Amino acid sequence: GESVGLHLPTLSVQEGDNSIINCAYSNSASDYFIWYKQESGKGPQFIIDIRSNMDKRQGQRVTVLLNKTVKHLSLQIAATQPGDSAVYFCAENTFSGGSNYKLTFGKGTLLTVNP
Amino acid sequence: SAVISQKPSRDICQRGTSLTIQCQVDSQVTMMFWYRQQPGQSLTLIATANQGSEATYESGFVIDKFPISRPNLTFSTLTVSNMSPEDSSIYLCSVERRARGFSYEQYFGPGTRLTVT
Repeated sequence: GESVGLHLPTLSVQEGDNSIINCAYSNSASDYFIWYKQESGKGPQFIIDIRSNMDKRQGQRVTVLLNKTVKHLSLQIAATQPGDSAVYFCAENTFSGGSNYKLTFGKGTLLTVNP
Repeated sequence: SAVISQKPSRDICQRGTSLTIQCQVDSQVTMMFWYRQQPGQSLTLIATANQGSEATYESGFVIDKFPISRPNLTFSTLTVSNMSPEDSSIYLCSVERRARGFSYEQYFGPGTRLTVT
């Protein structure tokens, strides 16, 4: 069935290092992917998105890579800071009929940044 | 972006009772979504609520258990009915807003943490 999952449930890095969070998806029809950051006690916060006709998209300190051949998505965070500590979710956007769509979330990766 | 507030932020309820969660958005939006996030888990979509029509429920969720209202373009409620301990979760509302070309950014409220005893 359709699923979005993560390779690593936890990731611990040193402050200043680069972080890479991975995500696998199985629905080849999905055309839009989003990364969210969720801090403790808060709702998910949009970080960056990418459409399926792109391989790479860059934001401020973050880069998302999409490999459609192996159905793999990654989030790279440059110069990781303590404020980046959170759970990161990938989400897959699939159409649910008409002009409607829905997000299917992956399991999440807990990123811990050590000072 | 969108500013979303939820009430209550948390509650402890007895089994068999019902709780209505309110979601208020600072601007008009067409689509609102309700999610459930069980402890330590990911988000699962409960239903999509468009103003002026019946909510669309995902597999495993039914209207009798999770009735939803959407009286206008800035407000929605989710009721968790006849609660059991298994309903203990964080409930989040979300709105969709198109931004910068193809982006369909979804913004989330802070969530309502529900504990059923």
